[in-house]
Amino acid sequence: LAKTTQPISMDSYEGQEVNITCSHNNIATNDYITWYQQFPSQGPRFIIQGYKTKVTNEVASLFIPADRKSSTLSLPRVSLSDTAVYYCLVGDMDTGFQKLVFGTGTRLLVSP
Amino acid sequence: DTGVSQDPRHKITKRGQNVTFRCDPISEHNRLYWYRQTLGQGPEFLTYFQNEAQLEKSRLLSDRFSAERPKGSFSTLEIQRTEQGDSAMYLCASSLVEGAGEQYFGPGTRLTVT
Repeated sequence: LAKTTQPISMDSYEGQEVNITCSHNNIATNDYITWYQQFPSQGPRFIIQGYKTKVTNEVASLFIPADRKSSTLSLPRVSLSDTAVYYCLVGDMDTGFQKLVFGTGTRLLVSP
Repeated sequence: DTGVSQDPRHKITKRGQNVTFRCDPISEHNRLYWYRQTLGQGPEFLTYFQNEAQLEKSRLLSDRFSAERPKGSFSTLEIQRTEQGDSAMYLCASSLVEGAGEQYFGPGTRLTVT
C-alpha cells in the first residue's frame, strides 16, 4: 500500500479557502485517492475520491496532478464546523479497497 | 436513521473481563469492517467480512479477539480477558463491494479497561 504524508495540522479562518496537500510518491497504477473527515468522538466520513485531474462535489474539490504523486483537498470558504481531522488514503480499487489505511491525518482548526 | 449503528456507545470494564460489541450495518451493504482507534491516531484496520465470510484479519487481532457476522447482517466483536491496552474506540463501517473506497462508519464504541 502506498504511504501517504500530510501536514500534522493547519489553521485557518472562517470564509477562507483551505488546501491540504497529501504526498503519495509510491502510488500504483490502480490506486485511487480518497479523503475522509473525522470530528471528535465520531467515525470518519467519506468526503471525496479521485483518480486523476480534478473531482468536485458539493463539499470539496480534489486536485490530482498528472504524475499522481500528490493530491490536494480544497475546502472552499470554511466555517467553524469544518474543524476536524482530514485523512488522505490511497488504495487499489481493482482489489476492492478492502481495508482503509489511515495515517495520523491533518488537524484543521478554523477560527472566527 | 438508516446509517451504521453500534452498541453500546461506551463500555467500562475491569481487566480480565470479556466484552462484546455489536454493529448493525447499512442494510444493503455486503461488506462490514472493524477498526480500532486510539487517541491521536487514525483508525487501524482489524478485520472485514463480505456477507458472512471473514476475508481478512489484521495481525492486530490477537487470539483474544473474535468477530462474527453469522447471517451476513449484523456483526459482533468480542474481546476476551481484556487488557488495559485494549482501551480504544472500536469503529464499525460498511460498504458495497463496488464502492469499497467509500465506507460508512458508525459512531463507535469507546472501551475503557480499568
